[in-house]
Amino acid sequence: GIQVEQSPPDLILQEGANSTLRCNFSDSVNNLQWFHQNPWGQLINLFYIPSGTKQNGRLSATTVATERYSLLYISSSQTTDSGVYFCAVERSPGANSKLTFGKGITLSVRP
Amino acid sequence: GAGVSQSPSNKVTEKGKDVELRCDPISGHTALYWYRQSLGQGLEFLIYFQGNSAPDKSGLPSDRFSAERTGGSVSTLTIQRTQQEDSAVYLCASSLVLGPTEAFFGQGTRLTVV
Repeated sequence: GIQVEQSPPDLILQEGANSTLRCNFSDSVNNLQWFHQNPWGQLINLFYIPSGTKQNGRLSATTVATERYSLLYISSSQTTDSGVYFCAVERSPGANSKLTFGKGITLSVRP
Repeated sequence: GAGVSQSPSNKVTEKGKDVELRCDPISGHTALYWYRQSLGQGLEFLIYFQGNSAPDKSGLPSDRFSAERTGGSVSTLTIQRTQQEDSAVYLCASSLVLGPTEAFFGQGTRLTVV
């Protein structure tokens, strides 16, 4: 099946710093989502971004599907950004209609 | 509903007992998915529904696991004769249609088998 690798596995930032989280995948995809898992375990949708660039406030994401990677940018980080960030992809063509998740990136933002 | 709703939020059960986990998807979403998150395995896909139909059950970990969906809405995941390795957070998601569309997750059910 498709492989999803996220890096770095852990990231510690001082409040106000910027960061880039990376997601590499091993095959063509027709769906890519970034999630933030909050301390209560819920997966919060950040971006649905199979290709192109999107921005939402301090967060932005870029997916270069032809080169099989996606980047999530966090600017002016806040303590509330702490948690685990997951990238999930659906292989193209969508034979199984399932998302395959990376192992996640644990972000800690220090005040 | 406004979001995907799962119940119960937490469930502690004795080894060997059966459990039922419930998922109420976003209103109007035809596709529904079950995932499991455990410490050693990360997030793994279990099963999906298109309407009431589950075409592929191969992601279910064993024959003790079953799932159904009725009326194109609520789904239940049943685990029979629970084992300690079944302890995990069970997450449900729904999307408007099956295929490459945005999926939205519920808050999960944390299952602990003692």
